[in-house]
Amino acid sequence: AQTVTQSQPEMSVQEAETVTLSCTYDTSESDYYLFWYKQPPSRQMILVIRQEAYKQQNATENRFSVNFQKAAKSFSLKISDSQLGDAAMYFCAYDSPLFGNEKLTFGTGTRLTIIP
Amino acid sequence: NAGVTQTPKFRVLKTGQSMTLLCAQDMNHEYMYWYRQDPGMGLRLIHYSVGEGTTAKGEVPDGYNVSRLKKQNFLLGLESAAPSQTSVYFCASVEQGRHGYTFGSGTRLTVV
Repeated sequence: AQTVTQSQPEMSVQEAETVTLSCTYDTSESDYYLFWYKQPPSRQMILVIRQEAYKQQNATENRFSVNFQKAAKSFSLKISDSQLGDAAMYFCAYDSPLFGNEKLTFGTGTRLTIIP
Repeated sequence: NAGVTQTPKFRVLKTGQSMTLLCAQDMNHEYMYWYRQDPGMGLRLIHYSVGEGTTAKGEVPDGYNVSRLKKQNFLLGLESAAPSQTSVYFCASVEQGRHGYTFGSGTRLTVV
């Protein structure tokens, strides 16, 4: 079974600075999908960024980018120019590509605080 | 707006009572999921369905039952609620072969 580990329960960053959230995972599959989800106080789960394991290039979405290290099974999220609206819980998640086995496995989350 | 709708949004139950949480999606997604979220534990999969009339157990299925009689609806039942089932419950759906899940806004359940 796949496991996802987020070793930083809490992080904080000054507004406008850059912060990196860590995520490692364990799998025996060669192809898979990785996600970062944001959960603000509203409780809604919002997809931030997605990475397909067979793609070498790291995914980027505006101020959000990932550092995907397949051999190390590492998938960190970098937030540049942090804004107050980035304050939230962030969850790393793994998804299997196998037909009929698609289901997300989540890490325990990192609570990000933005310091004005 | 298209999406995943969960009802109710909040509920308080007494130990031993039963209830059903409803999840409805209007995106014609094949796959649907029920997760529970607890502090420090992330989201854990309770049950899921890969199509109408099918269900399967996830990581933490004990104490819950599910049904998917219609493609657009996925029901989560608690037959005899326990305080350990106090949690926030999320429903999600995804199109077969795709990997971008859509989540509902969650149901906060308290069992006293």
